[in-house]
Amino acid sequence: QSVLTQPPSASGTPGQRVSISCSGGSSNIGSNTLNWFQQLPGTAPKLLIYSNNQRPSGVPDRFSGSRSGTSASLAISGLQSEDEADYYCAAWDDSLHGWVFGGGTKLTVL
Amino acid sequence: QVQLVQSGAEVKKPGSSVKVSCKASGGTFSSYAISWVRQAPGQGLEWMGGISPIYGTANYAQKFQGRVTITADESTSTAYMELSSLRSDDMAVYYCARSVGQQLFSYFDYWGQGTLVTVSS
Repeated sequence: QSVLTQPPSASGTPGQRVSISCSGGSSNIGSNTLNWFQQLPGTAPKLLIYSNNQRPSGVPDRFSGSRSGTSASLAISGLQSEDEADYYCAAWDDSLHGWVFGGGTKLTVL
Repeated sequence: QVQLVQSGAEVKKPGSSVKVSCKASGGTFSSYAISWVRQAPGQGLEWMGGISPIYGTANYAQKFQGRVTITADESTSTAYMELSSLRSDDMAVYYCARSVGQQLFSYFDYWGQGTLVTVSS
């Protein structure tokens, strides 16, 4: 059971906009910034969004993040086939003194 | 550019220990904290603990307290994760991840390629 809650799956057709939610609590998302990672099949996770809504260099602006209270979401617009991957949210937890992750959302591009 | 290169796959017997290394290049090793995250087959990511080289102290997730030891060798820019009393459910890919700053709570900007640890009798 993951500390952060994500839907196990999401899907969309090419060009569509999809959103993935991440729900937590006051000790993690509620008091620390939220980060998103993309994991393509068979590869290591890659930083996609940091500090709630910041994109590292090289990440397309099709990817955006937001946070409100103890929840956050990742939005992907103009969906492409190469976006098919697992997406994880992560935040530092002040009570656990460590990082907590969501269970991951498998995105399928139909 | 920044690279984290991990040691190769391991096959271990139940009850034994495994030590995985993570060699960093392309940055000042002591300026960044290193965490270890594992992923069991078909499962999500799980933080095990981390170390801030400049402080030399490690923090561990409660689940792994007493079984995991994370160290860092500044002279070789290498971090290590040793997990003891291995069980079948420790079979996973183990990743090292670099924090963007010296504190463990800074987000991860780079990851190693992963090391598969198989536990089998």
